[in-house]
Amino acid sequence: GENVEQHPSTLSVQEGDSAVIKCTYSDSASNYFPWYKQELGKGPQLIIDIRSNVGEKKDQRIAVTLNKTAKHFSLHITETQPEDSAVYFCAATTNQGGKLIFGQGTELSVKP
Amino acid sequence: KAGVTQTPRYLIKTRGQQVTLSCSPISGHRSVSWYQQTPGQGLQFLFEYFSETQRNKGNFPGRFSGRQFSNSRSEMNVSTLELGDSALYLCASSLGTGTGELFFGEGSRLTVL
Repeated sequence: GENVEQHPSTLSVQEGDSAVIKCTYSDSASNYFPWYKQELGKGPQLIIDIRSNVGEKKDQRIAVTLNKTAKHFSLHITETQPEDSAVYFCAATTNQGGKLIFGQGTELSVKP
Repeated sequence: KAGVTQTPRYLIKTRGQQVTLSCSPISGHRSVSWYQQTPGQGLQFLFEYFSETQRNKGNFPGRFSGRQFSNSRSEMNVSTLELGDSALYLCASSLGTGTGELFFGEGSRLTVL
């Protein structure tokens, strides 16, 4: 069935360093790949997304890359700040509206 | 613009009881999706409603049900509660056309004793 694997489960970096989170999806028909940030006590918030017709997308310090052949996509955060500390989720879907398949999450800790 | 509103935020129930959770989507959004979040299983899709019709359904037992009203507000119901139903239940709304951004509420945290 549909599955999204996310690594690592925890990631600790020093302020100013870069952080990379990787995901692999199983359904080759997947065509939309959002990334969500969830802070304690809050719901997930979309931070960036990419569609299957694009290989890379960047928004300030955040970028996402997609390799359709390998069925991999990654989140890159540069110049990390303490406020980037949160749980990050990748997801994938195949034109199924509100149905997203989420990865297990990465707890990112940015140490000042 | 008001975000997605979920009520109640916290509730405690006992095994065998039933619970109803409510979700008010962002104004203009016609799709409401529900997710269950637990430490062990992560975020799992329950179902999606669009224009009062269930458009998608996840792999949950029939004890989990939902509905959507003409104003796009949605409710989900869990009957005959089990300990394993303890979770954060998240509602997300979207315009509903194609595949686009989901806006999540802050969730309803259900504890089953």
